[in-house]
Amino acid sequence: QQQVKQSPQSLIVQKGGISIINCAYENTAFDYFPWYQQFPGKGPALLIAIRPDVSEKKEGRFTISFNKSAKQFSLHIMDSQPGDSATYFCAASMSRGGGADGLTFGKGTHLIIQP
Amino acid sequence: EAGVTQFPSHSVIEKGQTVTLRCDPISGHDNLYWYRRVMGKEIKFLLHFVKESKQDESGMPNNRFLAERTGGTYSTLKVQPAELEDSGVYFCASSLRSWNTGELFFGEGSRLTVL
Repeated sequence: QQQVKQSPQSLIVQKGGISIINCAYENTAFDYFPWYQQFPGKGPALLIAIRPDVSEKKEGRFTISFNKSAKQFSLHIMDSQPGDSATYFCAASMSRGGGADGLTFGKGTHLIIQP
Repeated sequence: EAGVTQFPSHSVIEKGQTVTLRCDPISGHDNLYWYRRVMGKEIKFLLHFVKESKQDESGMPNNRFLAERTGGTYSTLKVQPAELEDSGVYFCASSLRSWNTGELFFGEGSRLTVL
């Protein structure tokens, strides 16, 4: 059972456009939602993260939108650049004792920004 | 400052053989995690060390996998005997604080191919 569902699996966006990646989660106990960016041959690197007490967080061209009632969150990349081409993973975790305490990841989105 | 380093970067072995993966976390990071990504699937949590103690190993697939972190520094993940379904990329990550408050820093991964 996949607890974090990510879409689309792949995405092609023209340079300067907006890239949008969506994630949905099932466990209402999740309270930390990071996005990781991975370039080929490298490990995932934290891009931006949000907690459910806010509905939006923006860092430069990257914005997370969070909808607690719908149990969905998304990553928006404004003015997408070829250097943004990478695989993006959404993830979720919960602050509780006991049980699995690692991040639960989505399957990833392969983003290509065409020049 | 050196990041999380993993060795080997790629290992090709035959079914039934043994492989040991090594992870050196960022100096001073007490928290060390192992994750695995099977091709096309999500990155899955395997286990979490705090110093030399296993905090959570609920993600370990079966008893063919053994993780150690002697002295609370580097960690090894041994697969014995390896099976075809063990193929994938094994990521190590470390953090200064616990996973739900601090950023995870990932290594570049060890790609394991079992033939």
